[in-house]
Amino acid sequence: NAGVTQTPKFQVLKTGQSMTLQCAQDMNHEYMSWYRQDPGMGLRLIHYSVGAGITDQGEVPNGYNVSRSTTEDFPLRLLSAAPSQTSVYFCASSPQRKNTEAFFGQGTRLTVV
Amino acid sequence: QKEVEQDPGPLSVPEGAIVSLNCTYSNSAFQYFMWYRQYSRKGPELLMYTYSSGNKEDGRFTAQVDKSSKYISLFIRDSQPSDSATYLCAMSAYTGNQFYFGTGTSLTVIP
Repeated sequence: NAGVTQTPKFQVLKTGQSMTLQCAQDMNHEYMSWYRQDPGMGLRLIHYSVGAGITDQGEVPNGYNVSRSTTEDFPLRLLSAAPSQTSVYFCASSPQRKNTEAFFGQGTRLTVV
Repeated sequence: QKEVEQDPGPLSVPEGAIVSLNCTYSNSAFQYFMWYRQYSRKGPELLMYTYSSGNKEDGRFTAQVDKSSKYISLFIRDSQPSDSATYLCAMSAYTGNQFYFGTGTSLTVIP
């Protein structure tokens, strides 16, 4: 099994550009989430989904959109990139009824110039 | 006040030392307590989890939860250079599946 796959691994954007970070999991997990990780701030939840067609906001949702049309995929869209969105982004998935483990992707390093 | 507080370190210890990593939390609804290890430029991976209070041991690692004090710990015995990583604590409540993470403690084990 591939687990959680994120693409791309690295990306440089110009201010104002938009892009989509891809996340796919092959474990049939119901719960998926997006975090950003910044120095001294830890992992902060951006958006999450408890199943296909259901999404909700986390701690830092502004400037990001998500959708969940299938169980496997949970893309994160940056609408108009800003330098404050320079960060490492992690996608995670976990079984809905098992609050004991989140499986993480390898991360996307995003720089907005 | 943040849901989960964790001393960021950095922590530097000689090989073979016992390492103690700690987190405190404020939400009494948390039932599941996890420790993740994150190597540089990698995603976090689950190291251990405990449910409710008590201790759990797995090889050189011991996780402790004291719900009365809202305090959790991870002990690493006979630390190795390969243990050098950032350790993140995480917690979740029984209902829902949202995880709350600490900021992580950077550990370096010196050969």
